Amino acid sequence: GQQLNQSPQSMFIQEGEDVSMNCTSSSIFNTWLWYKQDPGEGPVLLIALYKAGELTSNGRLTAQFGITRKDSFLNISASIPSDVGIYFCAGGLGYKLSFGAGTTVTVRA
Amino acid sequence: DTEVTQTPKHLVMGMTNKKSLKCEQHMGHRAMYWYKQKAKKPPELMFVYSYEKLSINESVPSRFSPECPNSSLLNLHLHALQPEDSALYLCASSQVKAGGQGGELFFGEGSRLTVL
Repeated sequence: GQQLNQSPQSMFIQEGEDVSMNCTSSSIFNTWLWYKQDPGEGPVLLIALYKAGELTSNGRLTAQFGITRKDSFLNISASIPSDVGIYFCAGGLGYKLSFGAGTTVTVRA
Repeated sequence: DTEVTQTPKHLVMGMTNKKSLKCEQHMGHRAMYWYKQKAKKPPELMFVYSYEKLSINESVPSRFSPECPNSSLLNLHLHALQPEDSALYLCASSQVKAGGQGGELFFGEGSRLTVL
């Protein structure tokens, strides 16, 4: 698959804080998806983006599809303990999804 | 709860065994996928079926053999695997959008495979 650069690799956050993570690529994508994966589980879809410039919210989550179609960010507002997990970005072209390496989020209570 | 169901949840097999992983979805999706995921790594695409036909094979070794008996079922037959094949195997499904786009993928909980 194509290379996606996801950052940060990991983060410790205080409960109640807002956090942000992003993905960049040298290639354009038709879709950007954000997933969360808990240990021993499959990835769960959080947000799907289909248009360049699109800004979409899902509860405390907000994500944007970059105008160049080569990047996306995810914001989590007012972190809570259940936000712990690994977050993956994925860029879609045809049937292929290219995944970022993941951002591991740990919440300090 | 995921609407993509995978069985078994855990599988331990020897290198000479033949086993199968099964996946079922009832969302009416016409694209189904197999991914392989190693610990602390992102999922890696193995196969894609579109309208029950194999659409993508990401140069996967022949010891992995996919099968799509109908639009709701996807199997992965395993034979003569190696210890390095131990991983979480994820099934996913999606709608087929215009222009052959896969859309949003919905994953199952995975089958944890250990090859001894």
